[in-house]
Amino acid sequence: QKEVEQNSGPLSVPEGAIASLNCTYSDRGSQSFFWYRQYSGKSPELIMFIYSNGDKEDGRFTAQLNKASQYVSLLIRDSQPSDSATYLCAVFGRALTFGSGTRLQVQP
Amino acid sequence: GAVVSQHPSRVICKSGTSVKIECRSLDFQATTMFWYRQFPKQSLMLMATSNEGSKATYEQGVEKDKFLINHASLTLSTLTVTSAHPEDSSFYICSARDTYGDTQYFGPGTRLTVL
Repeated sequence: QKEVEQNSGPLSVPEGAIASLNCTYSDRGSQSFFWYRQYSGKSPELIMFIYSNGDKEDGRFTAQLNKASQYVSLLIRDSQPSDSATYLCAVFGRALTFGSGTRLQVQP
Repeated sequence: GAVVSQHPSRVICKSGTSVKIECRSLDFQATTMFWYRQFPKQSLMLMATSNEGSKATYEQGVEKDKFLINHASLTLSTLTVTSAHPEDSSFYICSARDTYGDTQYFGPGTRLTVL
């Protein structure tokens, strides 16, 4: 079992819709969870981090964490074509362990 | 957010030569820096963890004598790819973790092409 799992996609949503990106992790002791966005040919940029169970909102982005289910998600409201990218879930232990990423396509 | 720089952003070299890549944290101190490699359409692969003032910890399958890492200060780590070969061509990305937190910030990456 991979330490951090994501559906590779592509996830295609129409402009203005809500995009839901999901991630599961295997290390029950993980404490910190991060979402990065990576455009093609560029390095990842941090979108959000979350430590506690529940929701954390930042603008159009909401991160959700459920430690009992070992599940973290990212919701993007009012999706824009500029949101089209690969979204990487990362879980912190000794180092950040990344999922393989989910490619999101927002259709104009 | 915190800024991490990498230099050079792009390098082309001949097979057999060595290439040095610098990673700097510009506005924070980073006790720990990480080096990743990413091949096209693949995820990030952690190569090594670099701790200031001590030897780097390499991931399984990464040759420490080929990928030399030095972390001489709290704001600078270097990766030297020695005797580079075409199969070493990749996107090398460093990240730095703030000494006082968990968050890692990425540099812009260095695209290495070995001819």
